[in-house]
Amino acid sequence: QVQLQESGPGLVKPSETLSLTCSVSGGSVSSDIYSWSWIRQPPGKGLEWIGYIYYSGGTKYNPSLKSRLTISVDTSKNQFSLNLSSVTAADTAVYYCARVVADHDAFDIWGQGTMVTVSS
Amino acid sequence: QSALTQPASVSGSPGQSITISCTGTSSDVGSYNLVSWYQQYSGKAPKLMIYEGRERPSGVSNRFSGSKSGNTASLTISGLQAEDEADYYCCSYAGSSTFVLFGGGTKLTVL
Repeated sequence: QVQLQESGPGLVKPSETLSLTCSVSGGSVSSDIYSWSWIRQPPGKGLEWIGYIYYSGGTKYNPSLKSRLTISVDTSKNQFSLNLSSVTAADTAVYYCARVVADHDAFDIWGQGTMVTVSS
Repeated sequence: QSALTQPASVSGSPGQSITISCTGTSSDVGSYNLVSWYQQYSGKAPKLMIYEGRERPSGVSNRFSGSKSGNTASLTISGLQAEDEADYYCCSYAGSSTFVLFGGGTKLTVL
């Protein structure tokens, strides 16, 4: 079955760029019936949608993060990535990648999540 | 745009039914049949329980059901079990500028 796995640094300094990768196994990021998303959850708080990417490379971003955000897809490696620039302590969170069923706009498969702390 | 509004907590006894509300606006919940619900145990990733307002993914118990009236969506859990104790989040498509909104989450306690 399809599995997603996040990877990247657990500690990022303020003002630097947070970079994470989601590796997809058991399925293809090139499928046109799915898109791929990042969602985060600050400690003790709720979920916040970050953005989507489609297999074609098209993206949709959370307006509150758009100016700092880039999501990209690498079909040759079957993975997609998140870059969030100029981070502050407010960006400290568990970051999840998830598969989105396009027609249903629902996140049906999630990675286990990775904790990223922004601190000097 | 603000997050969808959920009660912070609900509780019920085993065997009872509970309902969690998710209130949005005419720009999100009220305009689209694209509300989903997620169950999250502490320290774990969320799990999809309901999509398109009332549809259950394969493998999700039929004790979980979803509905919508106007700008408010609801998740009902019948025959409450101890294993249902978790956090629950609603989510809605919110149009072509905001795209996706989550609710603030509801902690379900099984007494």
